[in-house]
Amino acid sequence: DAGVIQSPRHEVTEMGQEVTLRCKPISGHNSLFWYRQTMMRGLELLIYFNNNVPIDDSGMPEDRFSAKMPNASFSTLKIQPSEPRDSAVYFCASRQTDRGHTGTQYFGPGTRLLVL
Amino acid sequence: RKEVEQDPGPFNVPEGATVAFNCTYSNSASQSFFWYRQDCRKEPKLLMSVYSSGNEDGRFTAQLNRASQYISLLIRDSKLSDSATYLCVVNENFNKFYFGSGTKLNVKP
Repeated sequence: DAGVIQSPRHEVTEMGQEVTLRCKPISGHNSLFWYRQTMMRGLELLIYFNNNVPIDDSGMPEDRFSAKMPNASFSTLKIQPSEPRDSAVYFCASRQTDRGHTGTQYFGPGTRLLVL
Repeated sequence: RKEVEQDPGPFNVPEGATVAFNCTYSNSASQSFFWYRQDCRKEPKLLMSVYSSGNEDGRFTAQLNRASQYISLLIRDSKLSDSATYLCVVNENFNKFYFGSGTKLNVKP
């Protein structure tokens, strides 16, 4: 079975440019998470969706960041405009979440973003 | 104060050694606990869940102490392939997960 799919795997861009990261969760999973990992701050939860609805975006650093999940099989994380401090690895993860049952979170391979 | 704190290490141990990591969490209402493993330049992967009564999976033993709010991971008979960063994860409610910064383990021949 295909795991969580992320694209692009690497992105190098210049400050001020728009960056769009994409994620396809595992089929059948109803919760999707976006994380950011840096050496300084470790792995931070940015936002998560349940049944395509954003539930908690308190981790989104500022208005330059936005995330959408138009359907159960696709999500985007957009940074506009990008800044050098946004350089990090961005992971998408998904899980099956039902009342009374919590499944394992599965991570995608990540997108390594470098903003020059 | 961070929700989850870990000693970053690195822990440098010889093959065959036993090594233990601890992790502390700040929210006493936290509901579930996990250890993830992350290899260099790879994504985190679930190693094991941590249950209140403690649990074992082969050479790995996880324990939870709710009174003192810490979680431990014990690795027996370390293998070279155990070299990785181990992340402590705490779930506070529903889908709110907090990851520790990780403890790096180097197993030497």
